[in-house]
Order: sequence, then structure tokens, then C-alpha cells
Amino acid sequence: AQSVTQLGSHVSVSEGALVLLRCNYSSSVPPYLFWYVQYPNQGLQLLLKYTSAATLVKGINGFEAEFKKSETSFHLTKPSAHMSDAAEYFCAVSEGGSNYKLTFGKGTLLTVNP
Amino acid sequence: KAGVTQTPRYLIKTRGQQVTLSCSPISGHRSVSWYQQTPGQGLQFLFEYFSETQRNKGNFPGRFSGRQFSNSRSEMNVSTLELGDSALYLCASSWGTGLEQYFGPGTRLTVT
Repeated sequence: AQSVTQLGSHVSVSEGALVLLRCNYSSSVPPYLFWYVQYPNQGLQLLLKYTSAATLVKGINGFEAEFKKSETSFHLTKPSAHMSDAAEYFCAVSEGGSNYKLTFGKGTLLTVNP
Repeated sequence: KAGVTQTPRYLIKTRGQQVTLSCSPISGHRSVSWYQQTPGQGLQFLFEYFSETQRNKGNFPGRFSGRQFSNSRSEMNVSTLELGDSALYLCASSWGTGLEQYFGPGTRLTVT
């Protein structure tokens, strides 16, 4: 069985500060990992994905994440927060193969203060 | 290219009724997945269809069902609605490998 733990249900940063959202996963097979963002009253938008290629993955809007197998982590970072980054962020894992379901973490609400 | 569309966007139903939600995937996508999002349980996988066949299923009661048509459009049905079924229901489509899933805006279902 696979699972995802997101540390911190709420993270608050100042505009221009580093954004770090933490995600740890558990999977019995090499995982595929994703970060999604959800703005109020909207669906989920894919930020980036890890599919066993490069361990440092770059996504949209200046976000990136690093896959660390030894730590079973896939933390999301952005060097400088912008007001428009305020949203809820979800980490997800998939086993791939014939099982395409995404297992999501509980989400982290990012607040950006001016 | 148009994104995933879901209809209706908002729905209010009464306990005991049934409801059908619709999802139109991105053109060319053959896989459609459904997820339920609630404040308490978060995002949970309901089921996934590929080429009109249910390929994966989550841990939901039989009141939750779905189907997919030959044009890849999908519907999900919930019978005998309960208050706890109030949620945002999200549909996602992908080419078929499922590795990149593109989500629609969701249908907000309120059961009173």
C-alpha cells in the first residue's frame, strides 16, 4: 500500500521568502510522485512530476522538487514566494503499472504575507 | 485545446435521492478517473475507466458507480444519497498511462 504524509497543514511565508513544502511517501514499488496546486473553487493543476528520470524536477511557476529515495521524500521548493502562490498544495503518489490511482496527502495551505 | 469539463458545477440534493455527474475528458484522452474531496477525508480515489472498462476501484460502497462511453465521456452515479456524500467530486483524464492526470473544476454536491 502506498501513502503520503505532508508535514504542516499550514505554511506561512513572506513575499520573496523561500517556500518549502514537505512530502514523505511510502510505496512498495518505485513510485511516481506528483505535486498539484488547488486554488479556491478550482480543480487541481499539475505543478510537476517525478517518473524515475532526473531526481531534481522542475515544474511550472518556478517550483521544483527533489526526489530523495534514502529519505523517502519529495519536498517542493520555490526560491522566492509571490502573492499569487497562495493556494493549497497536494503531494501524490502513484504505483503506475496497471494501477493508476493517485494517493494524495492531506494538503498544505500556503499563505503568502506582503 | 479544451480542458476537462464537468457538469453541473453545483448541485443540491436531498437525502435518499440519486445523482449523476458528468465528465468530458480532454480530446484524445481515454482514461477518466474520479475523486472525492472532503475537508475530513481529503482527496480519495473512487474509480478509473479506460476504453469503457473499469480498470481500478477505490474503497467506496456500491452506491457509487460509474461508466464510460465510447467517446470517453464518463458519468458517475451516487444512489441513496447520504449527508456524508456532500463533497467536491473531481474528474481527471489522461492518455491512458495515467501518469499525468488533468483535473476538471469539479462538481460541488451538497446533500441536505
